Amino acid sequence: DQQVKQNSPSLSVQEGRISILNCDYTNSMFDYFLWYKKYPAEGPTFLISISSIKDKNEDGRFTVFLNKSAKHLSLHIVPSQPGDSAVYFCAASARSSASKIIFGSGTRLSIRP
Amino acid sequence: ETGVTQTPRHLVMGMTNKKSLKCEQHLGHNAMYWYKQSAKKPLELMFVYNFKEQTENNSVPSRFSPECPNSSHLFLHLHTLQPEDSALYLCASSQDPQGGNQPQHFGDGTRLSIL
Repeated sequence: DQQVKQNSPSLSVQEGRISILNCDYTNSMFDYFLWYKKYPAEGPTFLISISSIKDKNEDGRFTVFLNKSAKHLSLHIVPSQPGDSAVYFCAASARSSASKIIFGSGTRLSIRP
Repeated sequence: ETGVTQTPRHLVMGMTNKKSLKCEQHLGHNAMYWYKQSAKKPLELMFVYNFKEQTENNSVPSRFSPECPNSSHLFLHLHTLQPEDSALYLCASSQDPQGGNQPQHFGDGTRLSIL
């Protein structure tokens, strides 16, 4: 049973518009959430994280929102650029087992001109 | 340049071969990790080392044998692998996770194919 779920395997967004990637989790012990970006033939690159004491964290064009009651988080990218085309992984961990980061299956984002 | 270097990038081996994957991190981290990524599946944690001590073994078959001689180097020794072990093997490192949640930084992986 997947504890971190990314239900959309792919997403296509026009350049300049907002990209919204969604993630749901089931384990209420998770208190730290991360987003990674992966290009083909490269390893995942850490993008942004959020602690459960916050509901929003922003870094440039990237903003992560956390809704603890719904066990849902999302990554907003605005404006979307061609270089944002990649696979995005949502991940989560619990302080009690901080070394175990659980990953979702990923969403492939394509930015079209 | 991610600060985590994995070699080789590609490896093809027979089921009776013995080979090793190498990982080196230049980020001053204390913890290192091995992950497996099979096609269309999420990343699966295999092993965790913190300050050179193994702290997690996620029910990995004994044909995979990790070694961590120091905080900067991590190896995965392979022997008598099966075709289903063909996957992308990713190494990662982080600051000490016992000090609180930390992001992990990944290498580019070794694409392993078992004939």
